Amino acid sequence: DTEVTQTPKHLVMGMTNKKSLKCEQHMGHRAMYWYKQKAKKPPELMFVYSYEKLSINESVPSRFSPECPNSSLLNLHLHALQPEDSALYLCASSPSTAFLVEQYFGPGTRLTVT
Amino acid sequence: KQEVTQIPAALSVPEGENLVLNCSFTDSAIYNLQWFRQDPGKGLTSLLLIQSSQREQTSGRLNASLDKSSGRSTLYIAASQPGDSATYLCAPMKVRSQGAQKLVFGQGTRLTINP
Repeated sequence: DTEVTQTPKHLVMGMTNKKSLKCEQHMGHRAMYWYKQKAKKPPELMFVYSYEKLSINESVPSRFSPECPNSSLLNLHLHALQPEDSALYLCASSPSTAFLVEQYFGPGTRLTVT
Repeated sequence: KQEVTQIPAALSVPEGENLVLNCSFTDSAIYNLQWFRQDPGKGLTSLLLIQSSQREQTSGRLNASLDKSSGRSTLYIAASQPGDSATYLCAPMKVRSQGAQKLVFGQGTRLTINP
């Protein structure tokens, strides 16, 4: 199984809502990532988890709160978002954070903030 | 700061042609480079990973080369097919001081193969 799954596929939320994005992999990978991709732009790294610990936060606003409850699951909690946060949110995983390994991406969650 | 440029930004060719996509990067101290394809509104599919010690990597009709010293990589697609239509992204990888790998993506080449 070389798949990273993400739910939901689409999400529409108001600026006062609280919602969560979920990412799951069963490849035994110990590194997981969140990326944000605006329309017609390349993905940009948001967070990196290594062995369930947050190792990189790319100065992401606190209205985005990541969580890694176990080695297979990665969540992104959303609160008080702005319309400019509308984007495709991609999750990825890799066997570790070592530099010779490939990252595998999920299909993404399309988020619209109204 | 790593900057990645992909040329051309868009390419439209008839089916069957061989084609080359170019990627250049400013920081040559990378550990590897990954090529991805992305279909509209979808996630990324990894095509090839070239390690810094390698010069080439092949998978089916795809061949990627890497020249670290000049900061360039090319993706060669042989005998193109309409199903190859997608955006192709290159992403050199560095290891951060905290030990986590970071991919920096180019803007992509939007490829259209016409039947």
